[in-house]
Amino acid sequence: QVTLRESGPALVKPTQTLTLTCTFSGFSLSTSGMCVSWIRQPPGKALEWLARIDWDDDKYYSTSLKTRLTISKDTSKNQVVLTMTNMDPVDTATYYCARIRVGGDYTPVAFDIWGQGTMVTVSS
Amino acid sequence: AIQLTQSPSSLSASVGDRVTITCRASQGISSALAWYQQKPGKAPKLLIYDASSLESGVPSRFSGSGSGTDFTLTISSLQPEDFATYYCQQFNSYSYTFGQGTKLEIK
Repeated sequence: QVTLRESGPALVKPTQTLTLTCTFSGFSLSTSGMCVSWIRQPPGKALEWLARIDWDDDKYYSTSLKTRLTISKDTSKNQVVLTMTNMDPVDTATYYCARIRVGGDYTPVAFDIWGQGTMVTVSS
Repeated sequence: AIQLTQSPSSLSASVGDRVTITCRASQGISSALAWYQQKPGKAPKLLIYDASSLESGVPSRFSGSGSGTDFTLTISSLQPEDFATYYCQQFNSYSYTFGQGTKLEIK
């Protein structure tokens, strides 16, 4: 059974750096074709994709946020970490990690398994 | 970035109704589109991938169609548990974008 769980601070101050951890089970990020993404959702608003990391350590970022984001993995711990710098109140959101399902040619086709999400509030 | 526009933004319907939600991409994305269902306080759930492939375990009343720029999600006969918000999402190019959502409410 595949599961993912997000963890991190519930409250951060403006200008601080946010660090979130996604701990997963049921698959390994050292297996070819495995990928994990981060997605966020401000209260009452739509979903926004943030970043992706692949089994081969390739990394991809949202065009609008790439200067603030860093994604990394610790395969031995089955964890993916997202850092976001210079936090602002507009970054208040529920942050999800999700596994990416890929097709036969390793083309992504869906976020098939999601964590429950972790709510982060940015306020002084 | 590719924009996805869903219509309608909200919809009132009754149990047993047939409902269609549309998603239009700002440029062609082949069939690289997925649909998700989200209930309040919960993570999204995958319904459809590759525009028309039904995710395992999802009821057959859900179906998806389309390619290029125009896509639809159809629920053939609404059940009480289907009242939720639905999102389309594209994988054709980075950044992976989502539509703004369609809230399906009970009439």
